[in-house]
Amino acid sequence: GEDVEQSLFLSVREGDSSVINCTYTDSSSTYLYWYKQEPGAGLQLLTYIFSNMDMKQDQRLTVLLNKKDKHLSLRIADTQTGDSAIYFCAEFYYGQNFVFGPGTRLSVLP
Amino acid sequence: EADIYQTPRYLVIGTGKKITLECSQTMGHDKMYWYQQDPGMELHLIHYSYGVNSTEKGDLSSESTVSRIRTEHFPLTLESARPSHTSQYLCASISESNEKLFFGSGTQLSVL
Repeated sequence: GEDVEQSLFLSVREGDSSVINCTYTDSSSTYLYWYKQEPGAGLQLLTYIFSNMDMKQDQRLTVLLNKKDKHLSLRIADTQTGDSAIYFCAEFYYGQNFVFGPGTRLSVLP
Repeated sequence: EADIYQTPRYLVIGTGKKITLECSQTMGHDKMYWYQQDPGMELHLIHYSYGVNSTEKGDLSSESTVSRIRTEHFPLTLESARPSHTSQYLCASISESNEKLFFGSGTQLSVL
């Protein structure tokens, strides 16, 4: 079945760039997403990319999609302490439900 | 932005009680979902609905039930709560036109 994988932990220093990686198995995915979850809260949609795109940039966030390797990454420039959270990668394809990765816990060190 | 609401935000109850977690959205979305999530862990799909009078069980077996009598309302009910039900419950809905899944703030349930 479908599977989405992520590394579980990432630590960076404040001001550095963070890169969170994700791999997925279903090549028929139409959209790929990044969600952010802060402690005790729901998931907040950060950004998403259509499967026929390679890159999307939105302020400090850059999403890169490598369809050949089924690899998705989220780069956060100038990482701040407020970026500390769990980041979930997810894929969606028409007629099916969302599939989420296990989440990457980002810790931003002062 | 999303208008999807969950109540209560926090709930502490005793074993054996019947509870209903409320979820409402004002966006007219047909597809709605319930996920169960332990703190900092993976999301598990427990129920979903593709529209009024449509309900399906998700990937994770759950002792809860759901109903979808109105488009905007998708409540989840536990007939007899147990400590193993202690978790966060997240409701979500999606618009077919823009393929964005929006989440509510969640209900943190603790069963003593």
